[in-house]
Amino acid sequence: NAGVMQNPRHLVRRRGQEARLRCSPMKGHSHVYWYRQLPEEGLKFMVYLQKENIIDESGMPKERFSAEFPKEGPSILRIQQVVRGDSAAYFCASSPQGAGTQETQYFGPGTRLLVL
Amino acid sequence: GEDVEQSLFLSVREGDSSVINCTYTDSSSTYLYWYKQEPGAGLQLLTYIFSNMDMKQDQRLTVLLNKKDKHLSLRIADTQTGDSAIYFCAESLMGGGNKLTFGTGTQLKVEL
Repeated sequence: NAGVMQNPRHLVRRRGQEARLRCSPMKGHSHVYWYRQLPEEGLKFMVYLQKENIIDESGMPKERFSAEFPKEGPSILRIQQVVRGDSAAYFCASSPQGAGTQETQYFGPGTRLLVL
Repeated sequence: GEDVEQSLFLSVREGDSSVINCTYTDSSSTYLYWYKQEPGAGLQLLTYIFSNMDMKQDQRLTVLLNKKDKHLSLRIADTQTGDSAIYFCAESLMGGGNKLTFGTGTQLKVEL
């Protein structure tokens, strides 16, 4: 059973470009979480999605950031017009169920975004 | 508030016990977790404890929870060089939709 997969593992973008980060949850998991880890800091929650629904986006910056989890295919975290402050490691986690249950979140290896 | 704090560094000798501490502020925590992160890698769940428990033991790992003081600790017995990593505590909150709030991480260095 493959774990949570993220790609690319490393992504370099110039200021103003777009970054697309992909996350494939573990088989059988329908809940996806995105977290951001700035250098020398802990992880900060960004968004929680189920298939075709955004459940909680309270941690998402108001502009330039969006996330989706379509019926088919991976979850996508999209950052438009990247700035240097977006440089961070972005982690995806998945769980079989979500709110209201205790379900362990399994983390992917992360995508390390560097904005030049 | 949702502050979770940890000391930044801990250095121990191989074979000794390590104790990593964590304090949190939100009394509505339901579950508290310990994750391990090795360089360049994702997070590996080590263990978790329900908030109405005081202690949980899993092989070399012992978790202690003092809910009154909002203090969580992770003890690693017989620490090995492979235990060198960053350790994060995290909490999920009642009504928080299962999202995790992470501490700042403690870097554990195991010396020979």
